[in-house]
Amino acid sequence: AQKITQTQPGMFVQEKEAVTLDCTYDTSDPSYGLFWYKQPSSGEMIFLIYQGSYDQQNATEGRYSLNFQKARKSANLVISASQLGDSAMYFCAMRGDSNSGYALNFGKGTSLLVTP
Amino acid sequence: ETGVTQTPRHLVMGMTNKKSLKCEQHLGHNAMYWYKQSAKKPLELMFVYNFKEQTENNSVPSRFSPECPNSSHLFLHLHTLQPEDSALYLCASSQSRQGLNEKLFFGSGTQLSVL
Repeated sequence: AQKITQTQPGMFVQEKEAVTLDCTYDTSDPSYGLFWYKQPSSGEMIFLIYQGSYDQQNATEGRYSLNFQKARKSANLVISASQLGDSAMYFCAMRGDSNSGYALNFGKGTSLLVTP
Repeated sequence: ETGVTQTPRHLVMGMTNKKSLKCEQHLGHNAMYWYKQSAKKPLELMFVYNFKEQTENNSVPSRFSPECPNSSHLFLHLHTLQPEDSALYLCASSQSRQGLNEKLFFGSGTQLSVL
């Protein structure tokens, strides 16, 4: 069984500062993919960044980077230079391989509030 | 405009009503999904369709009935719902059902309230 854990229900960060959102996972699949999604108040889930379990380098997408520590089974999202528009719910997700039917499981999310 | 469109955005229904949620994707994807999002709970996968064929039903009660007439459209038919079914229902699509890096594209959801 796969499990995604996001331990921070809510986070605050000041505009222009960096913030790290935590995510740990558990799986028995030898290969897997890790995702982060953003959900603003409008409801739509927006894909942010992807990390494959065999990728040698940490993924980066603009102001988003993923701090992937495979041995610790953690995949933290780092947002640099926070903007007011970054205020939203953030979800970590993991897709297993064929052993788990490529199931995509989500964590409970972290609410981020960016203050002026 | 997003690639995945859901209607209606909001729906209030009584427990004896019958209603349908609609999802349409304009991305040429082959897989479509229904998710349920309740407060303080992870997203719950309800149904998966791949090339119009249902491939997953995650023990969803029969009062939820999906329909996928083609790869671009997905419906969720609702009847005799319970108040605990009140939630945000999200539709998503992906190019393929398989693949570790296959990312989902979501609609804005239908906020359902069952009275």
